[in-house]
Amino acid sequence: GIQVEQSPPDLILQEGANSTLRCNFSDSVNNLQWFHQNPWGQLINLFYIPSGTKQNGRLSATTVATERYSLLYISSSQTTDSGVYFCAVEGSDYGNNRLAFGKGNQVVVIP
Amino acid sequence: DTGVSQNPRHKITKRGQNVTFRCDPISEHNRLYWYRQTLGQGPEFLTYFQNEAQLEKSRLLSDRFSAERPKGSFSTLEIQRTEQGDSAMYLCASSLVGRLFFGEGSRLTVL
Repeated sequence: GIQVEQSPPDLILQEGANSTLRCNFSDSVNNLQWFHQNPWGQLINLFYIPSGTKQNGRLSATTVATERYSLLYISSSQTTDSGVYFCAVEGSDYGNNRLAFGKGNQVVVIP
Repeated sequence: DTGVSQNPRHKITKRGQNVTFRCDPISEHNRLYWYRQTLGQGPEFLTYFQNEAQLEKSRLLSDRFSAERPKGSFSTLEIQRTEQGDSAMYLCASSLVGRLFFGEGSRLTVL
């Protein structure tokens, strides 16, 4: 099946700093989504971004499908940004929105 | 709030007992998914429903696991004869097309 690798695995940020999280995937995809898992375990959908660039407040994401990677940018980080960020992809040979998740980027924002 | 609802949120059981989890998806969503997440890992796909039809099952879903979605509304995931290795967070998600929306999860601890 499709492989998803996220880097860096762990990141500590000072409040106000910017950061970039990377997701590499091993095959062509129909669907790519970024999620934030908060400390209580809830997964929040941040972006549905199989290609192109989107922005939502201080967060933005870019997917370059032809080069098989996606980036999530966090600007002016806040302590509420802490948690685990997951990239999830649907391989083009799967369908049905069956997503394969990476292991996540653990982000800690310190005040 | 009309998000995805799961219950119970926490379940502690003894090995060998049966447990059942319930998921109520977002009302207009026809697709429903179950995922399992263990500590330090991303969610892993278990099964997928479109309306009441179970269209896909992962090999992770052994014969002790059964999922239903009667009438295409809520879904249940039952685990029979639980084992310690079943301890995990069980996540339900729903979608109409594209973006997945997750519930808060049901955490299972098997003693």
